[in-house]
Amino acid sequence: EVQLVESGGGLVQPGGSLRLSCAASGFTFSSYWMHWVRQAPGKGLVWVSRINSDGSSTSYADSVKGRFTISRDNAKNTLYLQMNSLRAEDTAVYYCARDHGVVADLFDYWGQGTLVTVSS
Amino acid sequence: EIVMTQSPATLSVSPGERATLSCRASQSVSSNLAWYQQKPGQAPRLLIYGASIRATGIPARFSGSGSGTEFTLTISILQSEDFAVYYCQQYNNWPLTFGGGTKVEIK
Repeated sequence: EVQLVESGGGLVQPGGSLRLSCAASGFTFSSYWMHWVRQAPGKGLVWVSRINSDGSSTSYADSVKGRFTISRDNAKNTLYLQMNSLRAEDTAVYYCARDHGVVADLFDYWGQGTLVTVSS
Repeated sequence: EIVMTQSPATLSVSPGERATLSCRASQSVSSNLAWYQQKPGQAPRLLIYGASIRATGIPARFSGSGSGTEFTLTISILQSEDFAVYYCQQYNNWPLTFGGGTKVEIK
């Protein structure tokens, strides 16, 4: 059974940093591209970042480019999102999602999310 | 950036009735369109991709249609577990974008 479990969320002050993790199990993690998608409270879904299977290629939404860094450790089956210079508008539930693979840029499995709150 | 617009924002339907949800893209996305279902406090679940292909394990009462800029998700006979928010997503162009969602509520 595919499982994605996020952790690392919490309350952080504006300008602060946080690192999210997503532990994957039930599939060959190193074979799949992975994504982060966020959802502000009461709002819709917004794609944040993507990383290819070996970590050599990444993409970011303009709103986080230069502040967030996606990475992965295939030996630990874990995806990361390093978030720096956090702003109030980064407040959201952050989901990690597996890329479908056969159909690129489609999210076939999602974690339950971790809440990040940026507030003073 | 391709803007995805969903309508209506809220759809009130009685159990057993049909629900029809719309999604419009600001420019053609071919058939690279997916639908997700999200229940309160839960992660989204993939329902439909390629505009009309049901994902693994999705009941046949869910169907998708359309191409280019106009898409429809139809739930033929609404069950109690289908009351949720539905999002469309285009994966034809970067950045990937979602619609604002349609909430299907009990009438």
